[in-house]
Amino acid sequence: NAGVTQTPKFQVLKTGQSMTLQCAQDMNHEYMSWYRQDPGMGLRLIHYSVGAGITDQGEVPNGYNVSRSTTEDFPLRLLSAAPSQTSVYFCASSYGTGTYNEQFFGPGTRLTVL
Amino acid sequence: GDSVTQMEGPVTLSEEAFLTINCTYTATGYPSLFWYVQYPGEGLQLLLKATKADDKGSNKGFEATYRKETTSFHLEKGSVQVSDSAVYFCALPEYNNNDMRFGAGTRLTVKP
Repeated sequence: NAGVTQTPKFQVLKTGQSMTLQCAQDMNHEYMSWYRQDPGMGLRLIHYSVGAGITDQGEVPNGYNVSRSTTEDFPLRLLSAAPSQTSVYFCASSYGTGTYNEQFFGPGTRLTVL
Repeated sequence: GDSVTQMEGPVTLSEEAFLTINCTYTATGYPSLFWYVQYPGEGLQLLLKATKADDKGSNKGFEATYRKETTSFHLEKGSVQVSDSAVYFCALPEYNNNDMRFGAGTRLTVKP
């Protein structure tokens, strides 16, 4: 099992550009989520999904879009990048439909917006 | 809302020293509690968990006890190694189980 994979590992964008961060898992997990990690703030939830076709907002959703067309994939789209979106982004998945089970994290994408 | 508060770091210890990282929480109900660890350049991984009051989670020599009376879940290890150098996060699932609340993280550096 590859677990949770993310691409790219690093990305530099200019203000106003758009891009998609890719996330895939091969564990047949129903729950998937995207977090951003900023210094001194831990991880904050951006969006999550409890199954294919079902997504919802987390704590900090503004400026981001998600979709879940398959169980395996959960891409995160930045619509118009801003310097405030400079962060490390983690995708995670877990068995079941909630966070009460162990979450498995990808290796992260480090994004810089100039 | 639900939240966790961790002791501020960074923490620097010598090898074989005793480690305590404090974590307190505010929660609706009695959620499971987690410690995750992030090694340099990697994603987070589960270190240990406890699902109810007075439960003790343990793994790799680390322990934490779920204390309802003090709303705490402090992480301890009796003798740290250089390989324990990492960032440690205390976490709990929000009451609706669709979000995980993480502490700010505590960076531990162990020197030989």
